[in-house]
Amino acid sequence: DGGITQSPKYLFRKEGQNVTLSCEQNLNHDAMYWYRQDPGQGLRLIYYSQIVNDFQKGDIAEGYSVSREKKESFPLTVTSAQKNPTAFYLCASSMSGSSYNEQFFGPGTRLTVL
Amino acid sequence: AQSVTQPDIHITVSEGASLELRCNYSYGATPYLFWYVQSPGQGLQLLLKYFSGDTLVQGIKGFEAEFKRSQSSFNLRKPSVHWSDAAEYFCAVGISGGYNKLIFGAGTRLAVHP
Repeated sequence: DGGITQSPKYLFRKEGQNVTLSCEQNLNHDAMYWYRQDPGQGLRLIYYSQIVNDFQKGDIAEGYSVSREKKESFPLTVTSAQKNPTAFYLCASSMSGSSYNEQFFGPGTRLTVL
Repeated sequence: AQSVTQPDIHITVSEGASLELRCNYSYGATPYLFWYVQSPGQGLQLLLKYFSGDTLVQGIKGFEAEFKRSQSSFNLRKPSVHWSDAAEYFCAVGISGGYNKLIFGAGTRLAVHP
């Protein structure tokens, strides 16, 4: 089955640690996205990538980093510079970077800072 | 600036009753409009989308939405709600002319009473 997988489902981090969230898709989509979801705030865009080896900052990129070395993979690193990282993180992909293309979402990773 | 407003944070309906979830957007050009649904702890699933043409759009699970340009609205409706419809619903607007940016509303949480 084609789709998007995210791992782990739950992640706990101590303050000062960097953690990496995995996102893999087998839909052959060119574009991939990372969103952060907080209660009552909808989804906010962290980073996006339209093609391999290229990515752009979204609305709340500070304290996060990404890489796009393969078309299928778009890992997100939450660095110690992110002051309030506890949230639900969603990865998405779409066929291309055009805004009429549907975005497909993964099941999410819930990150908690201890 | 572009924005999406979902005026109702929580809505409770009885099973079998009709449902309307409100969505208003602010965007200068013709928008691409989406409704997504999210079950607790899960990713988002597309219910329906509007790009152009017929302003009444049919989606999955018996949902429909009507685009009203004069009111900048894209309200979601269902004639008879089922208990399995309890979830959070997000309206989003796709910004055209660039990368595939979706701006999400804050969401409406739907509870269904038996």
